[in-house]
Amino acid sequence: NAGVMQNPRHLVRRRGQEARLRCSPMKGHSHVYWYRQLPEEGLKFMVYLQKENIIDESGMPKERFSAEFPKEGPSILRIQQVVRGDSAAYFCASSPVGEMSEQYFGPGTRLTVT
Amino acid sequence: GESVGLHLPTLSVQEGDNSIINCAYSNSASDYFIWYKQESGKGPQFIIDIRSNMDKRQGQRVTVLLNKTVKHLSLQIAATQPGDSAVYFCAENNRGGKLIFGQGTELSVKP
Repeated sequence: NAGVMQNPRHLVRRRGQEARLRCSPMKGHSHVYWYRQLPEEGLKFMVYLQKENIIDESGMPKERFSAEFPKEGPSILRIQQVVRGDSAAYFCASSPVGEMSEQYFGPGTRLTVT
Repeated sequence: GESVGLHLPTLSVQEGDNSIINCAYSNSASDYFIWYKQESGKGPQFIIDIRSNMDKRQGQRVTVLLNKTVKHLSLQIAATQPGDSAVYFCAENNRGGKLIFGQGTELSVKP
């Protein structure tokens, strides 16, 4: 049973470009979460999605960031017009249910903005 | 406000000794906690969880203790091995699925 898959593992973008990060949850999991980790810091929650629904986006920056989890296909975290401060590791997690459920993390996408 | 934090940023132990990693949380309404292990360049790996109706839970070589009176969580690792070297995070599972992470404790195991 494959774990949470993320791609690409490494992504380099110039300032002003768009970044698209993909996440495929574990089989049977319908809850997806995105977190961001800056160097030598803990993970910060960004957004929680179920199929075709955003449940909690309280951690998403107000501009340039968006996320979706369509009926078919992976969840996508999209960052428009990237800036250097967006450089970080972005992790996706999935769980079988929402509240009080263990979340399993993918390997992350390391975004570098030059 | 909500916060989950760790008392010590680094911990160095001798191989074979027991390790204890501590965590304090401030939201007394929190009812679910998770410990994660993160190795360099990898995603967090689930270790063990505990619900607020328990004060102790054991896994393979790991034990989590929860003291709700002082809002304290600890992870005990028995017979620590070099492969246990990593950063350990406690996380509070807020109702609704959101995880709130502490800053992490780096565990270093000396052979």
